[in-house]
Amino acid sequence: RKEVEQDPGPFNVPEGATVAFNCTYSNSASQSFFWYRQDCRKEPKLLMSVYSSGNEDGRFTAQLNRASQYISLLIRDSKLSDSATYLCVVIGSSNTGKLIFGQGTTLQVKP
Amino acid sequence: DTGVSQDPRHKITKRGQNVTFRCDPISEHNRLYWYRQTLGQGPEFLTYFQNEAQLEKSRLLSDRFSAERPKGSFSTLEIQRTEQGDSAMYLCASSLWGEVAKNIQYFGAGTRLSVL
Repeated sequence: RKEVEQDPGPFNVPEGATVAFNCTYSNSASQSFFWYRQDCRKEPKLLMSVYSSGNEDGRFTAQLNRASQYISLLIRDSKLSDSATYLCVVIGSSNTGKLIFGQGTTLQVKP
Repeated sequence: DTGVSQDPRHKITKRGQNVTFRCDPISEHNRLYWYRQTLGQGPEFLTYFQNEAQLEKSRLLSDRFSAERPKGSFSTLEIQRTEQGDSAMYLCASSLWGEVAKNIQYFGAGTRLSVL
């Protein structure tokens, strides 16, 4: 079983739609959680950190459920420019700080 | 541009040849990480440095792979006797290690390796 699991999609949605991605992680001792965005053939870029209290940045909302070991990302009012792969990322319990990535979920926003 | 630079951006080599990649992290960052990403997958951790010390290596890093960060600044990743299975994007990231929640890693654009 992978440490971080995501549905690879693709998710095809029209502009303006609301879309939600989910992710589960296996290590209950994981400490930090992130969503990264990766455009085709580019490097991953931090989208947002994820906290138990939830956090919102404009059209993006991230939630963490430690009891269920579940992370979500909600995108409201999708734009064409949101088309990308969204990577769920976890830092484990060690002091290494190494990132453990999910496979990524591909989003295509259509006009 | 995150401030992490990698060179070269692309490398095509023949099987059996040696290749070396370079990463220049953000200048004040004390940690440097190497990851590998194959098509359709998320990046996978290879190794990391704190300053000049290499503190962990993944089991993915066979004995054909070696990484250095001699002065705690730039790092190199060398692959000897390349195999077709080494074809991937090699990503470097750097961070300022302190409180765990602030270990935000910034990635370079990567080096795409194709082994023929």
